[in-house]
Amino acid sequence: AQTVTQSQPEMSVQEAETVTLSCTYDTSESDYYLFWYKQPPSRQMILVIRQEAYKQQNATENRFSVNFQKAAKSFSLKISDSQLGDAAMYFCAYRSEEIQGAQKLVFGQGTRLTINP
Amino acid sequence: DAGVIQSPRHEVTEMGQEVTLRCKPISGHNSLFWYRQTMMRGLELLIYFNNNVPIDDSGMPEDRFSAKMPNASFSTLKIQPSEPRDSAVYFCASSLRGSYNEQFFGPGTRLTVL
Repeated sequence: AQTVTQSQPEMSVQEAETVTLSCTYDTSESDYYLFWYKQPPSRQMILVIRQEAYKQQNATENRFSVNFQKAAKSFSLKISDSQLGDAAMYFCAYRSEEIQGAQKLVFGQGTRLTINP
Repeated sequence: DAGVIQSPRHEVTEMGQEVTLRCKPISGHNSLFWYRQTMMRGLELLIYFNNNVPIDDSGMPEDRFSAKMPNASFSTLKIQPSEPRDSAVYFCASSLRGSYNEQFFGPGTRLTVL
């Protein structure tokens, strides 16, 4: 079974600075998808960014980018120019290629990000 | 689109009572997921449906939990009888079938069993 590990329960960063959240995963599959979700205090789960394992190019969405290291099974999230609205729990998630059956998301335990003004 | 709709948003009940959580997925989506979030176990999948058919219910904790999807626009998660350890936030999510596709989450139902 696949597992996702987020080793940083809490992180903090100064507003306008850059922060990197870590995520590692364990799988024997070669094709899969990785996601970062954000959960603000409203508890709404919001997709931040996604990465296909077969793509070597790291995904980028505005101030959010990932560092995907397939061999190391690492998938970190970098937030540039941090804003107060970025304060939230961030979850890393894994999803198998559908042909392999499991469409479910497997989540890490989350990292609580605090933005200091 | 209104997004995934869940009701109720909050539910407080007493141990032994039946609880029914409801979900309306985004129109056109053909996959529906029920997740549970607790401090101890984090976010975990309970069950998911493709085209209204349950595909994987291995995450359902025990026979007290059951889920149905009678049509493409409605699903229920029922707990009978409820226990204090069932207290959690329950999320419903929907997507188009396919692992690349984003799962859109509802606002969740916070369940408290006294």
